Amino acid sequence: NAGVMQNPRHLVRRRGQEARLRCSPMKGHSHVYWYRQLPEEGLKFMVYLQKENIIDESGMPKERFSAEFPKEGPSILRIQQVVRGDSAAYFCASSPTSDGEQFFGPGTRLTVL
Amino acid sequence: GIQVEQSPPDLILQEGANSTLRCNFSDSVNNLQWFHQNPWGQLINLFYIPSGTKQNGRLSATTVATERYSLLYISSSQTTDSGVYFCAVGGGGSQGNLIFGKGTKLSVKP
Repeated sequence: NAGVMQNPRHLVRRRGQEARLRCSPMKGHSHVYWYRQLPEEGLKFMVYLQKENIIDESGMPKERFSAEFPKEGPSILRIQQVVRGDSAAYFCASSPTSDGEQFFGPGTRLTVL
Repeated sequence: GIQVEQSPPDLILQEGANSTLRCNFSDSVNNLQWFHQNPWGQLINLFYIPSGTKQNGRLSATTVATERYSLLYISSSQTTDSGVYFCAVGGGGSQGNLIFGKGTKLSVKP
């Protein structure tokens, strides 16, 4: 059973460009979570999705950030008009239930020049 | 929201030593996990332990939910144990997200 997959693993963008981060959950998992880790800090929750629905986006910045988890295909975290402060590691996790064990992908390291 | 505190923030050990890492949380939880973030940044699941005691090789963990703390024990530490250990808790339901502590940075010297 393949683990959580994220791509790309590294992403470099210039200020003002768009960043698209992809996450494929483990097989059989319908709950997806996105977290952000700034340098030298712990992980902070951003958004929780279940197929086609956003359950909780309380940790997501109000502007420029959006997330989706379509019926078919991976979950996407989209950051528009990136700024240097968006540079971070973005982790995706999946779980079979809302309070079950979460399994994390390898992360996408975003660098904004 | 739930607060998670980990101690100690930093720990330096000689190879072969034992250690105990602590995680305190401020409210009842229905999910508690321990992770190891290795020097390459990957998050490794160690334990899913909302209550009780579990063991996996040289590592074991105990969560006392009624007293709102969890302990991670590392015995006979090895240099490959180096990295940051995170405790994360979840309140469940629509609050399925995990709340992470700031971590314990462990360095094991040969």
